[in-house]
Amino acid sequence: SQQGEEDPQALSIQEGENATMNCSYKTSINNLQWYRQNSGRGLVHLILIRSNEREKHSGRLRVTLDTSKKSSSLLITASRAADTASYFCATDAYSGAGSYQLTFGKGTKLSVIP
Amino acid sequence: DSGVTQTPKHLITATGQRVTLRCSPRSGDLSVYWYQQSLDQGLQFLIQYYNGEERAKGNILERFSAQQFPDLHSELNLSSLELGDSALYFCASSVGAGGHTDTQYFGPGTRLTVL
Repeated sequence: SQQGEEDPQALSIQEGENATMNCSYKTSINNLQWYRQNSGRGLVHLILIRSNEREKHSGRLRVTLDTSKKSSSLLITASRAADTASYFCATDAYSGAGSYQLTFGKGTKLSVIP
Repeated sequence: DSGVTQTPKHLITATGQRVTLRCSPRSGDLSVYWYQQSLDQGLQFLIQYYNGEERAKGNILERFSAQQFPDLHSELNLSSLELGDSALYFCASSVGAGGHTDTQYFGPGTRLTVL
């Protein structure tokens, strides 16, 4: 079952513009992570934000987390054509018996037009 | 390159058959995770092994099984294959047993086509 739901499903922007993707989830989480996937390739880990953090930066990426609203956003600033990919949020939550499970949303497909 | 390797890259087989997918984790990682990615279901967690033992189970069908060997590589066995099993199968690895800040590193995937 999906825990995170990304919005929008698809986003098309011009190179140099900022791209914002949102993620909503349903249950309590340990942390939330964002991954990138180029077409048909493996997922690449971008950033992790803990449940007690509100904002995190990594290069051109900025992630926010609002646990009261159960939502997160990923901002990519000054986008480049190479940023074209699908972006997934993944929620890490305790799943019982001492184990944690990462649950992925269906992703936002970002197209950056040169 | 994440350091996680998966073989084969592509696999084409017929309904009813059995296949084995192989994964080698990054050096030093003790956990291996298997995921299935299809267009309609998205990325679904199947199962996790930690240091040779099953650690967590997700949406894994009874026709599917996995194991992790003493050298920490893992195999995912899919049997009695159906058309709906066609998907990308990813393996990921992490240092610990999961949770907290344990980042998962994904392999390039195996594309399975069932005809």
